[in-house]
Amino acid sequence: DVVMTQSPLSLPVTLGQPASISCRSSQSLVHSDGNTYLNWFQQRPGQSPRRLIYKVSNRDSGVPDRFSGSGSGTDFTLKISRVEAEDVGVYYCMQGTHWLWTFGQGTQVEIK
Amino acid sequence: EVQLVESGGGLVQPGGSLRLSCAASGFTFSSYWMSWVRQAPGKGLEWVATIKEDGSERYYVDSVKGRFTISRDNAKNSLYLQMNTLRAEDTAVYYCGRVVSHTNDYWGQGTLVTVSS
Repeated sequence: DVVMTQSPLSLPVTLGQPASISCRSSQSLVHSDGNTYLNWFQQRPGQSPRRLIYKVSNRDSGVPDRFSGSGSGTDFTLKISRVEAEDVGVYYCMQGTHWLWTFGQGTQVEIK
Repeated sequence: EVQLVESGGGLVQPGGSLRLSCAASGFTFSSYWMSWVRQAPGKGLEWVATIKEDGSERYYVDSVKGRFTISRDNAKNSLYLQMNTLRAEDTAVYYCGRVVSHTNDYWGQGTLVTVSS
């Protein structure tokens, strides 16, 4: 199974400041079709998960442009350029390249 | 508007069975792979199972293989998860999701399954 490792697991941030979450996979996430199926999800307290980013860097419709994804191979990053209060929640990376699909442990983003 | 509504959760004894349903609307259900993902209380997300548009391919996490069956009825725009021989560790909120680009782009609100005596 592909192990997804996120860091940090807890991220206190100041409003208006940037934030960055790292996600590393135990093997390359490049699919045989040439795509890299690395995705990011946000889960606000008491809500269902919401997809933010798919295939490394593609923002879903309605996702603010302060969210961006980058990376390649086994090393990926989610960045929030300026954290807002509504960004509080848990963020998960997830790989859909290899069966079984696997999630990272989650990163709790909170306001200082 | 895409909508996914899960139902069928509840309290069940260890060793028991439960069938979850997911009613889909707002998109052409028969054109999409679909998935179930679960979340144990206070824990992270775990992918459970995925099914191809026509049901011809199904994939499962190892911990549920042989016990859970994912299925669909395209005529009823519905996804199902038959869960047998339930264990305490299957206690979780179960979310159904539409699959786009090898992941869920839309999620339901979830249904809670509690396995306890």
